Amino acid sequence: NAGVTQTPKFQVLKTGQSMTLQCAQDMNHEYMSWYRQDPGMGLRLIHYSVGAGITDQGEVPNGYNVSRSTTEDFPLRLLSAAPSQTSVYFCASSYDTRHSPLHFGNGTRLTVT
Amino acid sequence: AQSVSQHNHHVILSEAASLELGCNYSYGGTVNLFWYVQYPGQHLQLLLKYFSGDPLVKGIKGFEAEFIKSKFSFNLRKPSVQWSDTAEYFCAVNLNSGAGSYQLTFGKGTKLSVIP
Repeated sequence: NAGVTQTPKFQVLKTGQSMTLQCAQDMNHEYMSWYRQDPGMGLRLIHYSVGAGITDQGEVPNGYNVSRSTTEDFPLRLLSAAPSQTSVYFCASSYDTRHSPLHFGNGTRLTVT
Repeated sequence: AQSVSQHNHHVILSEAASLELGCNYSYGGTVNLFWYVQYPGQHLQLLLKYFSGDPLVKGIKGFEAEFIKSKFSFNLRKPSVQWSDTAEYFCAVNLNSGAGSYQLTFGKGTKLSVIP
């Protein structure tokens, strides 16, 4: 059982480049989300989805897009990378949004130069 | 806006010392409460959770937390820490964001360093 799988683990981008962070889960979870983790800031919610075809913005959505075409996959797109997007990104999923704990992927460390 | 506050940014303890990490939230309604732990270089893992019932909840690895509704607090405790408890600890609160949907809000985290 793989759980939540994120790729890549590390990425370096130049300012202005675009890329997609991949996230897949095999637990049939309806809820998926993307967080960024910055020192001293904790985890901040970027976007989330409560099911296939449904997405919504979190606390810090600017500069990111998401889509949810299947239950399993929830990719995060950086449209035009900026140094402020240097961070560690975590994808997480859960059975529901109320009681179920989040299952996290191993993270993607992104550096934008 | 709802918020979650963790009082200590960095706590340094010697092995066998007792631990208490503070967590307060600002929300007057029904909440679900979690503590997550992140070991160095790893992703977050669930330590324990509280939904209802006994306000003293026990989690993995000897951790426990007490929900005090009147104080809007959910402090994490461990009687005797070990070097392997060195990690960052995050309090999280699940709040009703309307229409049956809940949003999980994390505190900024507390780094715990345990000295052998």
